[in-house]
Amino acid sequence: DAGVTQSPTHLIKTRGQQVTLRCSPKSGHDTVSWYQQALGQGPQFIFQYYEEEERQRGNFPDRFSGHQFPNYSSELNVNALLLGDSALYLCASRSDRGADYERQYFGPGTRLTVT
Amino acid sequence: QQQVKQSPQSLIVQKGGISIINCAYENTAFDYFPWYQQFPGKGPALLIAIRPDVSEKKEGRFTISFNKSAKQFSLHIMDSQPGDSATYFCAATLSGGYNKLIFGAGTRLAVHP
Repeated sequence: DAGVTQSPTHLIKTRGQQVTLRCSPKSGHDTVSWYQQALGQGPQFIFQYYEEEERQRGNFPDRFSGHQFPNYSSELNVNALLLGDSALYLCASRSDRGADYERQYFGPGTRLTVT
Repeated sequence: QQQVKQSPQSLIVQKGGISIINCAYENTAFDYFPWYQQFPGKGPALLIAIRPDVSEKKEGRFTISFNKSAKQFSLHIMDSQPGDSATYFCAATLSGGYNKLIFGAGTRLAVHP
């Protein structure tokens, strides 16, 4: 059973460019959350998707947007990249139902470097 | 009120010793407190979690102690091993808030042989 997968592993972009990161949730999971982890810090919640809708959003600007597809996979889009967007972007999935609904599984992350 | 404060920032322990990491929170509505372990280049992995209706939970060498009145909880790693060297994050969440995780800043643990 594959866990949460993310692509690409690493990405280098220039200021002002746009980027798309992808996530496939763990089998059986229907809820996907995205987190930003700056170097040496804890992950910060960006937003959560459920039933193809953004259900909750953290304190991130509108430059950060996302999408969830019918197969529960998800994309994170960041427009007008800033140097400060350089971070590890983590995807986490869980099932919104069942006894274990609080348990979230993280992918390995995408390391984004903005130059 | 949404913050989780974690200490120490870094910790060095000898093999076989006990590693202790502490966290404090403000929001009394939090109702699920997980600990995550992260190795370099990897995503966080759930280690152990506790709810506020119990004061202690043990899984193998890992124990969470929870003090609801003090709004504090801690992770104890018994018989620490070099393979435990990683960054540990405490977190808190609201079950009714779609389980958005609020993370501490992390503790970098080094276990020396």
